[in-house]
Amino acid sequence: GAGVSQSPSNKVTEKGKDVELRCDPISGHTALYWYRQSLGQGLEFLIYFQGNSAPDKSGLPSDRFSAERTGGSVSTLTIQRTQQEDSAVYLCASSPWQGRTNEQFFGPGTRLTVL
Amino acid sequence: DQQVKQNSPSLSVQEGRISILNCDYTNSMFDYFLWYKKYPAEGPTFLISISSIKDKNEDGRFTVFLNKSAKHLSLHIVPSQPGDSAVYFCAARDSGGGADGLTFGKGTHLIIQP
Repeated sequence: GAGVSQSPSNKVTEKGKDVELRCDPISGHTALYWYRQSLGQGLEFLIYFQGNSAPDKSGLPSDRFSAERTGGSVSTLTIQRTQQEDSAVYLCASSPWQGRTNEQFFGPGTRLTVL
Repeated sequence: DQQVKQNSPSLSVQEGRISILNCDYTNSMFDYFLWYKKYPAEGPTFLISISSIKDKNEDGRFTVFLNKSAKHLSLHIVPSQPGDSAVYFCAARDSGGGADGLTFGKGTHLIIQP
């Protein structure tokens, strides 16, 4: 079956522009996560969805970041007024939620470059 | 303030030998630990995990050891193979509820030399 897919794979944008990143989780997975990996850093947790609701937005770095999930499936992460420090690989993961110990399945990521 | 630390950015091991990757953590509320492997331009893939109620978990060539008193875990790969060359991330889950996101270390780049 298909894994987690993300689009676009690469995005180059100018400082101040808005960007939207998309994640298609594995079919049937109810939990969805967004992370980002800046150069030389580990993965940084951004936001978690259970179904369409986001019980945990604690990792969003600023109010320029928002995310939504519709139909319990596709999610979009939006970054408004991008800054150079937003440059990173944005990774999406999903899990079937049979308990908190389920491993998360990651997509290939979107590499965002803000000029 | 890093809660999960992988102090070795890289590790070079000869093919056939044992690779040992280390991870330290500071948050005593972590109750579940995972290792992920990442190839360039791909997302991380799950490798092996361990619950805090255990001190060892084995899966084929991969074994994870957990020392709760030392807040330390390690991943052993034996024998190491060329396909094991990748970045390995240690990750942990907080039992305190709230965030279900994992806390990751910065990763260790394992290089298996022929």
